[in-house]
Parts: sequence; C-alpha cells; structure tokens
Amino acid sequence: ETGVTQSPTHLIKTRGQQVTLRCSSQSGHNTVSWYQQALGQGPQFIFQYYREEENGRGNFPPRFSGLQFPNYSSELNVNALELDDSALYLCSSNPGRGGEETQYFGPGTRLLVL
Amino acid sequence: RKEVEQDPGPFNVPEGATVAFNCTYSNSASQSFFWYRQDCRKEPKLLMSVYSSGNEDGRFTAQLNRASQYISLLIRDSKLSDSATYLCVVGHNDMRFGAGTRLTVKP
Repeated sequence: ETGVTQSPTHLIKTRGQQVTLRCSSQSGHNTVSWYQQALGQGPQFIFQYYREEENGRGNFPPRFSGLQFPNYSSELNVNALELDDSALYLCSSNPGRGGEETQYFGPGTRLLVL
Repeated sequence: RKEVEQDPGPFNVPEGATVAFNCTYSNSASQSFFWYRQDCRKEPKLLMSVYSSGNEDGRFTAQLNRASQYISLLIRDSKLSDSATYLCVVGHNDMRFGAGTRLTVKP
C-alpha cells in the first residue's frame, strides 16, 4: 500500500455542478499532484502543490483548482462540470519538491458527469 | 506532438514470450524516467525507474537513450500476471504519462 487515500471512491454529478475531491498523503510527503485519466488514456497532469503553494500546472482551465493543507491532505475542486470531466481522478505524492520523483498514487476517484 | 508517445498496442502474447515496449519523449530537459504498471480499474504502480546505463529487475529490463529521447521496456518469459497496461512516464518538475500500452498474456 502507498499510504495515499482518496475520497470518495465514486461520484455522480450533473453538468454545471461543482465537485470537491479529497486526498490524504503520507506524512512527510510535501508534494502532491493531481491527474485526470479518461478511459483508455494515460493520466494527464492537472497541477501540483508543494507545501501548500501551487508548484506547476498542466493544460487545464481555471475551473480546476486545488488546495493543500499542512496535515498532508489536499483537495481538487472542479466548477461548472462538463460531460468531458468524467474520468478517474488520481492524486499522488512524493517527499521532495517537484513531482519528478517516484510518485505514490492513491486509488482514485471515479467521477461521472451526466 | 504529444510529450510522451508509446506503442499504441494492444499486445497479445502467449505465456513465455518476450515482449518489448517503446516510448519516445519530446522534452530534452527531462530528468527522470519510469515505467508504471496499471491494472484494470486500479491506480498506476511503479514497475521500475529507468537509468541511462540501463537496468534490470528480474524478467524486466529498461533502457534509456537520452540522445534519441527513447525509452524501452523488455519483458522476458511473460507470465499471465504480467497482463496490464504499461505506462511510460517522464519527469521534469512534474510527471508526464504516455497513453499506455495494453498487454494481454494468454495461456
């Protein structure tokens, strides 16, 4: 086990709604990254936080936002949900600064937008 | 051009076969390289890191060619349990994943 947990495991929302996904990293893992994985695709980098500051962002619109807390938990918020937001959302963590180290993934949250 | 490109697959091989996966990446400043394995409806898990000198872990051998920006994974003596999607991953401040290559090993 990686020691990274995510909640909820599954979620169904309707278009236009807002959603918050949660992740709890291992103690001492200062960097958390979030990914979106559509069916049949590899994970796409959304953004990364290091010690509560955003430390990198992929090609996702501003309606995707995040927070990292001092207790090694983090959130991914998505506003104005669209059908294409349906995917597996993964968080991962690593001890150092930056996400180029080995990533330890949580089990993911499956989001379905209707 | 995608940042990380992999063989599209799928690969269907018999038990005991040798199978090779190829991957190319576009960012020459990339610093770290990995192969991850992802089982159906599960999260990715680290299979092995990839080093310039090449590295081996049992039946798995990974190679990196920085000049060609190319990474490979060789699986020898395939087992049924090797059936999964193999993700090529390249790191430079963050991790970028390929689309994955699905492998099915059949009896």
